[in-house]
Amino acid sequence: AQSVTQLGSHVSVSEGALVLLRCNYSSSVPPYLFWYVQYPNQGLQLLLKYTTGATLVKGINGFEAEFKKSETSFHLTKPSAHMSDAAEYFCAVTREYGNKLVFGAGTILRVKS
Amino acid sequence: SQTIHQWPATLVQPVGSPLSLECTVEGTSNPNLYWYRQAAGRGLQLLFYSVGIGQISSEVPQNLSASRPQDRQFILSSKKLLLSDSGFYLCAWRISGANVLTFGAGSRLTVL
Repeated sequence: AQSVTQLGSHVSVSEGALVLLRCNYSSSVPPYLFWYVQYPNQGLQLLLKYTTGATLVKGINGFEAEFKKSETSFHLTKPSAHMSDAAEYFCAVTREYGNKLVFGAGTILRVKS
Repeated sequence: SQTIHQWPATLVQPVGSPLSLECTVEGTSNPNLYWYRQAAGRGLQLLFYSVGIGQISSEVPQNLSASRPQDRQFILSSKKLLLSDSGFYLCAWRISGANVLTFGAGSRLTVL
């Protein structure tokens, strides 16, 4: 079975500061990993994904994440936070040809001016 | 291009009343379809998924059911709503064999 743990249900940063959202996964097979963003009362939008190949993946809006197998982690970062980054972020895991995507509990990012 | 539609966007229903949420996908064939529920502070819970017409897999025993009467239509139903059914319901789809899920805008259900 696969699972995802997102450390910190709420993260607050100042505008211009580094954003770091933590995600650890559990998987008995090579994982495929995802980060999604959700703005209030909207669906989820894909930020980035890791399947195979380069372990540092870049996504939309300046976000990136690094797959670290030894640490079973897939943390999301952005060098400089913008007010428009305030949203809820979800990490998710599946496997190759898997039918189900398992989500973490989500992290609400607040950006202070 | 592919699009996904969910309706209604918001719904307020009394306890014990029936429910029907509908999701349709355009621009693709034989998608895998999913219903997730998002309750406050609890992340996304997979409720049902379907890999084809009439094929439904249930992930969590509950008061809800799902049906797929057509290739690109996925319906979430209940005969009698409970207070605990309140939440934000998200439909999603993906091409079979692909990994990226695309989500609809969601349906917010409040049961009073």
